[in-house]
Amino acid sequence: DTEVTQTPKHLVMGMTNKKSLKCEQHMGHRAMYWYKQKAKKPPELMFVYSYEKLSINESVPSRFSPECPNSSLLNLHLHALQPEDSALYLCASSQDGGRIRPNYGYTFGSGTRLTVV
Amino acid sequence: EDKVVQSPLSLVVHEGDTVTLNCSYEVTNFRSLLWYKQEKKAPTFLFMLTSSGIEKKSGRLSSILDKKELFSILNITATQTGDSAVYLCAAGSTDSWGKLQFGAGTQVVVTP
Repeated sequence: DTEVTQTPKHLVMGMTNKKSLKCEQHMGHRAMYWYKQKAKKPPELMFVYSYEKLSINESVPSRFSPECPNSSLLNLHLHALQPEDSALYLCASSQDGGRIRPNYGYTFGSGTRLTVV
Repeated sequence: EDKVVQSPLSLVVHEGDTVTLNCSYEVTNFRSLLWYKQEKKAPTFLFMLTSSGIEKKSGRLSSILDKKELFSILNITATQTGDSAVYLCAAGSTDSWGKLQFGAGTQVVVTP
């Protein structure tokens, strides 16, 4: 299994809703990432988990709350989002957080297209 | 501040042409340069380069890194319409816990 699976694929939520994005990988990767990608822009890092511990938080607003229940799962809890948070949210994983192994790179999931209304 | 710049931002070619995409980087404690292809959703991994001057090839795609001049190129020969995509390069550093700094991407359109 060489995939990163993200659910849901699409999500529409109101500004007062609470929702969660889920990410799962079974490649034995020990680092997992959340990226945000706006239209026609490159992905921007939000969070890094390495060995189930939060290693990097790129000054992301507290309305985004990551959680890593185990080494295969990564969640992003959403609360009180703004319309400008509408974007493609990408999860990725790599062998480990300190280095990226050649020929594996970093594997991205297919993303969740989030629309905040 | 770390920076990755790609050029051109977009190009249109005919099937069968060769394209060369450029990526320059300024990254503290540089470790690796990665190339991705992004069509509609997830970026798909193409290459990872860590050593200067060694070409990596996969079919019609190839890439090389110049660590002295701080750039990489991605070549696509005998282009096909299925090569139409955004090509992203990203740089990783030794002290970034796996963080990748992405360039803005090059939009490639291959016309029949």
